[in-house]
Amino acid sequence: AQSVTQLGSHVSVSEGALVLLRCNYSSSVPPYLFWYVQYPNQGLQLLLKYTSAATLVKGINGFEAEFKKSETSFHLTKPSAHMSDAAEYFCAGATYNQGGKLIFGQGTELSVKP
Amino acid sequence: DAGVTQSPTHLIKTRGQQVTLRCSPKSGHDTVSWYQQALGQGPQFIFQYYEEEERQRGNFPDRFSGHQFPNYSSELNVNALLLGDSALYLCASRVTGGAKNTEAFFGQGTRLTVV
Repeated sequence: AQSVTQLGSHVSVSEGALVLLRCNYSSSVPPYLFWYVQYPNQGLQLLLKYTSAATLVKGINGFEAEFKKSETSFHLTKPSAHMSDAAEYFCAGATYNQGGKLIFGQGTELSVKP
Repeated sequence: DAGVTQSPTHLIKTRGQQVTLRCSPKSGHDTVSWYQQALGQGPQFIFQYYEEEERQRGNFPDRFSGHQFPNYSSELNVNALLLGDSALYLCASRVTGGAKNTEAFFGQGTRLTVV
């Protein structure tokens, strides 16, 4: 069965510092992997997605993620945090044979200190 | 393009009542999925509709049912509401088939509170 695990329910960084949010997956078939961001009282916005093309994926707002099959990881990074990056981040996985059903991690709340 | 739209945005119901939530998919999308997001948790898959039929279902009881209409819009119905059904209900739409098969777009959600 496929599962997605996000390490760290809360991450706090200073403005301008590196953002690193961790995601590990388990899947018996090649996965599609996604990062979504959720601002308070809002839905989910897609940041980026991996669909078996390039292993380094660039997304919106300066975020990027690298798919590492050997580590079963898909960590999200951003070189320099902005105050506006404070939100909840979700890693999700899907497999083609599941018809697009998304399996989400528990989420990581990112706080950015001035 | 209005994206995925859900109604209502907020809803308060009494335990034991029934509720219907509505979703209009993004233009050009034919598949609608529903997710339940409890406070502090990641979204959990409820079910998915394509061609007006339920195609996949998550681990939710039969109290949760749905429908998809010919215009691809969808409803989520929950009967005999429990306090534990209080959550944000998210609708996601996508295109089934082709290169865009994997990308889902989410609505803003309906916040359901059961008292």
